[in-house]
Amino acid sequence: EPEVTQTPSHQVTQMGQEVILRCVPISNHLYFYWYRQILGQKVEFLVSFYNNEISEKSEIFDDQFSVERPDGSNFTLKIRSTKLEDSAMYFCASSASQINSPLHFGNGTRLTVT
Amino acid sequence: AQSVTQLDSHVSVSEGTPVLLRCNYSSSYSPSLFWYVQHPNKGLQLLLKYTSAATLVKGINGFEAEFKKSETSFHLTKPSAHMSDAAEYFCVVSDQAGYSTLTFGKGTMLLVSP
Repeated sequence: EPEVTQTPSHQVTQMGQEVILRCVPISNHLYFYWYRQILGQKVEFLVSFYNNEISEKSEIFDDQFSVERPDGSNFTLKIRSTKLEDSAMYFCASSASQINSPLHFGNGTRLTVT
Repeated sequence: AQSVTQLDSHVSVSEGTPVLLRCNYSSSYSPSLFWYVQHPNKGLQLLLKYTSAATLVKGINGFEAEFKKSETSFHLTKPSAHMSDAAEYFCVVSDQAGYSTLTFGKGTMLLVSP
């Protein structure tokens, strides 16, 4: 069964550094998402992406965050200047359509900001 | 706005006994509801989904959930627990209009003892 793959599985970075989290969605999917889960808290929606544009974003997704689909397969989340509170598990997801098509999640990238 | 309340942070059962994981939701629209499972160091896997068809929804691995509008509930059940069911379970709600914004519950950790 096709899977969403995320790399790296763990990332440690220093405060103020830029990080890029990478995702390869399922190949025929058109909608892409990032969610995050801070330790001990709920999984939270960050952003959705379709047709090379952000279609929806949450309050969490401020100017420090950006997403990009640089080629036909990768979908990236960039955090420009990491803060301690960015430490979380970041999940990428994709779906074939927006309606009646469930999200398929990757295994996540655990980001630790020191 | 939608919200989800998972009533138990931890549920402990013995192998072979029934499982009940409780979920109540709040939504301004006719909701789509999901249960996702997360095994250690794995991604979020879709167990089952409700999208306004049959109120009793069957999922993978013998799990099922019943949508009860009058009680605003979507409890997850399984007749007989297996050791491999030990994981964290998330009840999730989305607007009917689309799936891009999923609202997660805080999760219920299911512990299964021999």
